[in-house]
Amino acid sequence: QVQLVQSGAEVKKPGASVKVSCKASGYTFTDYGISWVRQAPGQGLEWMGWIRGNNGNTNFAQNLQGRVAMTTDTYTSTAYMELRNLRSDDTAVFYCARVDYDVLIGIPIPQYGMDVWGQGTTVTVSS
Amino acid sequence: QSVLTQPPSVSAAPGQKVTVSCSGSRSNIGNNYVSWYQQLPGTAPKLLIYENNKRPSGIPDRFSGSKSGTSATLGITGLQTGDEADYYCGTWDSSLSTWVFGGGTKLTVL
Repeated sequence: QVQLVQSGAEVKKPGASVKVSCKASGYTFTDYGISWVRQAPGQGLEWMGWIRGNNGNTNFAQNLQGRVAMTTDTYTSTAYMELRNLRSDDTAVFYCARVDYDVLIGIPIPQYGMDVWGQGTTVTVSS
Repeated sequence: QSVLTQPPSVSAAPGQKVTVSCSGSRSNIGNNYVSWYQQLPGTAPKLLIYENNKRPSGIPDRFSGSKSGTSATLGITGLQTGDEADYYCGTWDSSLSTWVFGGGTKLTVL
């Protein structure tokens, strides 16, 4: 079955970096993209950006530009999200989710939504 | 401030029906398909509705979706206590080139 399994919880100090992994199985990794979504305690869902599975091209939310990086390892079907220069308000649960996209022109196909989600990774930023 | 607007909460009695609204603009809901997500307490979001009104395999037909212009609606009939969750609408915004979500609606089954 299609599945996304994320890495475990992290505790980081302000100013540090965190890298979260998302291992895909049950489908052809390069046929889909991976979106990253975070949820601060008691808050709603915030889209962070996404990465295309076939070529690694990325787009990020404007408020995270310069602090976030997304990469993939197609050999292990794993996506990674790194957030740098952490602040206390980065404390959140981070989710990866599969998204369909037009491989030829690189734009999402919102028709199918984010159809599979990882279990979430809690990142706590505290001094 | 979310790009898509949802009511913070809705409530109804078991067995009753409830609707959740999601309002956007031409660049998001007006020109793209809407999906809905259910987030049970302490769990990851799950796709509930895609392509405005389609249900993934395993989602009961008590859940329905519709879209008109720049608004979308999630309907849930035959409410059960197990439906208590947060519900989010989402879509792609063609002007912002970002995925956008509503702020979420907490459903309470009284």
